[in-house]
Amino acid sequence: GIQVEQSPPDLILQEGANSTLRCNFSDSVNNLQWFHQNPWGQLINLFYIPSGTKQNGRLSATTVATERYSLLYISSSQTTDSGVYFCAVEIGYGQNFVFGPGTRLSVLP
Amino acid sequence: AAGVIQSPRHLIKEKRETATLKCYPIPRHDTVYWYQQGPGQDPQFLISFYEKMQSDKGSIPDRFSAQQFSDYHSELNMSSLELGDSALYFCASSSVVGLGEETQYFGPGTRLLVL
Repeated sequence: GIQVEQSPPDLILQEGANSTLRCNFSDSVNNLQWFHQNPWGQLINLFYIPSGTKQNGRLSATTVATERYSLLYISSSQTTDSGVYFCAVEIGYGQNFVFGPGTRLSVLP
Repeated sequence: AAGVIQSPRHLIKEKRETATLKCYPIPRHDTVYWYQQGPGQDPQFLISFYEKMQSDKGSIPDRFSAQQFSDYHSELNMSSLELGDSALYFCASSSVVGLGEETQYFGPGTRLLVL
């Protein structure tokens, strides 16, 4: 099956710093989404981004489908950005997600 | 906007008991997915339904069963619970027809603790 890798596995930042999270996947995908799981376990949809670039406030994401990777950028990080960031891919129309192992982000005040 | 609803939000059971988790998808969504997230793990796909029929199956134990009803809500039934079943169970819904972006929307999860 498809393999999804994320790097780095852990990241510690000082408030205000910028960061880039990476997601690599081993096969063509129909859909890619970035999620933020907050400390209470809730999965928050950040971006639906099978290709191209999107921005939402301090967050932006880019997926280069031909090279099978996606990047999530967090600028001017805040303590509320802490949590685990998951990349998830869907290989076929209407099929289930395969999640990456996540990047655990800790933003220190 | 309406979101995916899951109930209960928290559940404590003893070993060998049964549990039923419920999921109410976003209105007009016809596909429901169930995921299990163990402690420190990423979510793993269990099973999905499209138009009340099972559409795909992942790593769902034989002790678990699920179905989707005529109103599109879904229930995950878990029997002979084991300690290892303690996890966060997510339900997600989507619309194959496409109400905009083809994306899965996740519910808040049900946290199951088996003692």
